[in-house]
Amino acid sequence: DTGVSQNPRHKITKRGQNVTFRCDPISEHNRLYWYRQTLGQGPEFLTYFQNEAQLEKSRLLSDRFSAERPKGSFSTLEIQRTEQGDSAMYLCASSQDRGSYNEQFFGPGTRLTVL
Amino acid sequence: AQSVTQLDSQVPVFEEAPVELRCNYSSSVSVYLFWYVQYPNQGLQLLLKYLSGSTLVKGINGFEAEFNKSQTSFHLRKPSVHISDTAEYFCAVRHTGTASKLTFGTGTRLQVTL
Repeated sequence: DTGVSQNPRHKITKRGQNVTFRCDPISEHNRLYWYRQTLGQGPEFLTYFQNEAQLEKSRLLSDRFSAERPKGSFSTLEIQRTEQGDSAMYLCASSQDRGSYNEQFFGPGTRLTVL
Repeated sequence: AQSVTQLDSQVPVFEEAPVELRCNYSSSVSVYLFWYVQYPNQGLQLLLKYLSGSTLVKGINGFEAEFNKSQTSFHLRKPSVHISDTAEYFCAVRHTGTASKLTFGTGTRLQVTL
């Protein structure tokens, strides 16, 4: 098991363009989370899935953001009409549901720069 | 809702000196507490966690932390740091229920020099 992987690792785009990131969780982990980390800040929760169901969304996730996990395995996070304020590191994490405590394992992140 | 305050944005320390990184939290419900480390251009790695039981928890790389419920603190300590400990450290909390999201502090940059 190679852990949580994210692609691409870096993305530079122009304002107004759409971007899509992919996260591959640890196999058999049924929970998948997205966080956003801006410069000098800690990660902030965006959304999470249990299997293919999106169970919680932060108010940070504006209408321009959409996340999917179609088959309960990998997930994609799309940002439409990017803005400079979207520049951040987007982190994905996964966990296995084992009751009340489920350790989240983080991927390396996708760094987005919006010019 | 929960919140986490890391009082120091940067902590410079000489190699082999002891260090303490401070973390205070606020929550109206029971929480689990965590410390994560982030090396440049990498994701987060769990250092240690407090779930229940002994208030002194030991983690990887020689780090330990003590949960103090009355002071709502979870300070991270290491008796002797190494150059390789230079990184960003994040304190985080999570509700003890099945809800899973982590709430992080703003981080403390530990800079170890010779």
